[in-house]
Amino acid sequence: EPEVTQTPSHQVTQMGQEVILRCVPISNHLYFYWYRQILGQKVEFLVSFYNNEISEKSEIFDDQFSVERPDGSNFTLKIRSTKLEDSAMYFCASSPISGGYGYTFGSGTRLTVV
Amino acid sequence: AQTVTQSQPEMSVQEAETVTLSCTYDTSESDYYLFWYKQPPSRQMILVIRQEAYKQQNATENRFSVNFQKAAKSFSLKISDSQLGDAAMYFCAYRSAKAGGTSYGKLTFGQGTILTVHP
Repeated sequence: EPEVTQTPSHQVTQMGQEVILRCVPISNHLYFYWYRQILGQKVEFLVSFYNNEISEKSEIFDDQFSVERPDGSNFTLKIRSTKLEDSAMYFCASSPISGGYGYTFGSGTRLTVV
Repeated sequence: AQTVTQSQPEMSVQEAETVTLSCTYDTSESDYYLFWYKQPPSRQMILVIRQEAYKQQNATENRFSVNFQKAAKSFSLKISDSQLGDAAMYFCAYRSAKAGGTSYGKLTFGQGTILTVHP
């Protein structure tokens, strides 16, 4: 079964550093997403991406964050100048363009900011 | 904006018994999709079951079924013959069906219910 692949599975970074979280969505999916889950809390939407541009973003997704699909297969989330409160599980997901399909989520990247 | 509420932070069930997890939502839209996701300790998000709002028939996937009450905006998950592997956090989620709208594709999650299965 097709999978969404996320790397790394766990990343530790120092406060103020930049991190890039990587995702390879399912090849025939056209909508891509990033979600965040702070430990013990609910999953929160960050951003959706379609046709090489952001289609929607939440209030969490401020200037500190950016997304990119640099080469047609990878989908990245960059966090500039990380803060302690950015520590969370970050999930990438992809979805076909139409229909009520649930997403296929990746297995997540656990980001720890120290 | 849509909201999803799971009022049961924790539930427990004996192995082989049946348990129902509750979910309510608020929306002004008439066409949408509802989902239940399972998150085991590995923290992977696994789709359990989905329901299209325009369908009156409740969705069923093996031991998992839903009770979808559109007028009441209720979407509960029933797990029959519970197994130890069902122990996880369960999230209810909403997705608009409005193509091209600003919320198209975005999932709104509830707070989650931790399910414990006792042997």
